[in-house]
Amino acid sequence: KNEVEQSPQNLTAQEGEFITINCSYSVGISALHWLQQHPGGGIVSLFMLSSGKKKHGRLIATINIQEKHSSLHITASHPRDSAVYICAVRSNNYGQNFVFGPGTRLSVLP
Amino acid sequence: EPEVTQTPSHQVTQMGQEVILRCVPISNHLYFYWYRQILGQKVEFLVSFYNNEISEKSEIFDDQFSVERPDGSNFTLKIRSTKLEDSAMYFCASTPSWGFGEQYFGPGTRLTVT
Repeated sequence: KNEVEQSPQNLTAQEGEFITINCSYSVGISALHWLQQHPGGGIVSLFMLSSGKKKHGRLIATINIQEKHSSLHITASHPRDSAVYICAVRSNNYGQNFVFGPGTRLSVLP
Repeated sequence: EPEVTQTPSHQVTQMGQEVILRCVPISNHLYFYWYRQILGQKVEFLVSFYNNEISEKSEIFDDQFSVERPDGSNFTLKIRSTKLEDSAMYFCASTPSWGFGEQYFGPGTRLTVT
């Protein structure tokens, strides 16, 4: 069974801080998705990656396939980054659907 | 920018009633998904759909659930006889390609079963 874990569960930061959210999973994967869920509930895709590193603005996502681990970094955090960040993985062996992590709730204080 | 839309945004229904949740995926996307998120819990996969048939479904997607693409634009999730535990946010998503396709999510429908 594919398990996806995230740490920390909750994170409070001051504006401007560098933030790291971690995701680990238990099986081989074909893709990993980082998502942002707004307080109103809507989900936005941030990154989809299967290897290496991707950067978009202040967001950076990395993945280490051998260690079954991915990190999402936010540089120069801002209160508008406050949201739940969710990692979801598509395994090699369990079909094409995504298995979601529990999410990390981030609060950035001004 | 194209987006996935869902209607209604909030649906309240009585236990035992049938509900239909509607989604309009992005027009050139070929693969469609329904997910569920019970309040305070993680997002869970329900079903994926391609070429007018179900590709995969989870254990949650039992006989009371069905999906349909009644026309070229809508994608619906029907719950035949709602239970209290069906209360959740239901998200539709679509992707242009299988495998490595990035998923685009709709804003969700909050279903409350009383």
